[in-house]
Amino acid sequence: ILNVEQSPQSLHVQEGDSTNFTCSFPSSNFYALHWYRWETAKSPEALFVMTLNGDEKKKGRISATLNTKEGYSYLYIKGSQPEDSATYLCALWGNRDDKIIFGKGTRLHILP
Amino acid sequence: KAGVTQTPRYLIKTRGQQVTLSCSPISGHRSVSWYQQTPGQGLQFLFEYFSETQRNKGNFPGRFSGRQFSNSRSEMNVSTLELGDSALYLCASSTGGWSEAFFGQGTRLTVV
Repeated sequence: ILNVEQSPQSLHVQEGDSTNFTCSFPSSNFYALHWYRWETAKSPEALFVMTLNGDEKKKGRISATLNTKEGYSYLYIKGSQPEDSATYLCALWGNRDDKIIFGKGTRLHILP
Repeated sequence: KAGVTQTPRYLIKTRGQQVTLSCSPISGHRSVSWYQQTPGQGLQFLFEYFSETQRNKGNFPGRFSGRQFSNSRSEMNVSTLELGDSALYLCASSTGGWSEAFFGQGTRLTVV
């Protein structure tokens, strides 16, 4: 059974600083890894879908990498802005039991 | 293009009752998945439907069930409600497989 760990649980970052956090998993037996941003009072919004080892995706100031051999994905935010305050979730689509496993998220707070 | 619509948004039920939640996916999306979110647990996968067939199921008791109609709308039913079923229930639609999921705003269920 896949177990998805996200760290840190919570993060406070000064506006303008860059930051990153981690999603880790014990194996490469999955179809895809997704990153979502979940702002308070809104719905989770997809950021990236990653499938291959070495995948790198970018959307504006946010980027992500995937390393399936060592079992982690990083999400990077460059020059944090107040609107980046949200919970960032990663999720794995497993290919053994076809379950979808979400991590508990990293809660990012941007300090003015 | 209309997003994913969940109804109702809020619901209060008594222990022992049953409840039905509804999810209307984005037009053209044939996959609908359901999730439960409780404090400290993160998003837990309930089940996924694709073209009216349940394709995947999470680790929830049989009191949780669902179905999907020919227009891809989906319903989730919880019978014999327990206090621990109090949660935010999210549905998400996608084109299928591991493509990005689009989430609704959720139904907040409170069991008293």
